[in-house]
Amino acid sequence: ETGVTQSPTHLIKTRGQQVTLRCSSQSGHNTVSWYQQALGQGPQFIFQYYREEENGRGNFPPRFSGLQFPNYSSELNVNALELDDSALYLCASSLGGGDYEQYFGPGTRLTVT
Amino acid sequence: GESVGLHLPTLSVQEGDNSIINCAYSNSASDYFIWYKQESGKGPQFIIDIRSNMDKRQGQRVTVLLNKTVKHLSLQIAATQPGDSAVYFCAENIKGGATNKLIFGTGTLLAVQP
Repeated sequence: ETGVTQSPTHLIKTRGQQVTLRCSSQSGHNTVSWYQQALGQGPQFIFQYYREEENGRGNFPPRFSGLQFPNYSSELNVNALELDDSALYLCASSLGGGDYEQYFGPGTRLTVT
Repeated sequence: GESVGLHLPTLSVQEGDNSIINCAYSNSASDYFIWYKQESGKGPQFIIDIRSNMDKRQGQRVTVLLNKTVKHLSLQIAATQPGDSAVYFCAENIKGGATNKLIFGTGTLLAVQP
């Protein structure tokens, strides 16, 4: 176990709704990255937060947004859900924004109907 | 739990044999590479990493080889065990300023036959 936790484990939402996913980073880690993993594919980088600031973003639309809190936990928010948003959402924590090892949580399985 | 191995390349080996999983990466400027193991219903688990100033690194039962000339990585698992059955991803670390993002390969499903 990595010490990274995510909630909820599973979630079912309807198209057009909004969702918030949560991540608690490993103790001592100040950086959280979020990834989307569609079934049968590798994870894709959404964005990274370092000391409460967005530190980089992948090719995801603005309806994907996030927050990082002073305790370095993080939220991923997705507005106006689409069917293609159905995926496993992973967060990973690391010691910094550079090339440090990233430790992944178990993920949240989001299903959009 | 759900399978992450649908439609992935599959490597089937006998228990006790050695496994070799290959990966091509895309960015010649990448300088840090990681292999992850992902079991069904779980997040990726770090196995071993290598920096671009090395061409080989060994861990416990695992070895990673890096060929920068052809942008190729391989993961060798010695004496493969049933518990090694999982999807294996290589990832390259892409730097953009202070950002550290991982670009994952397609993944390979390793199936260990007892």
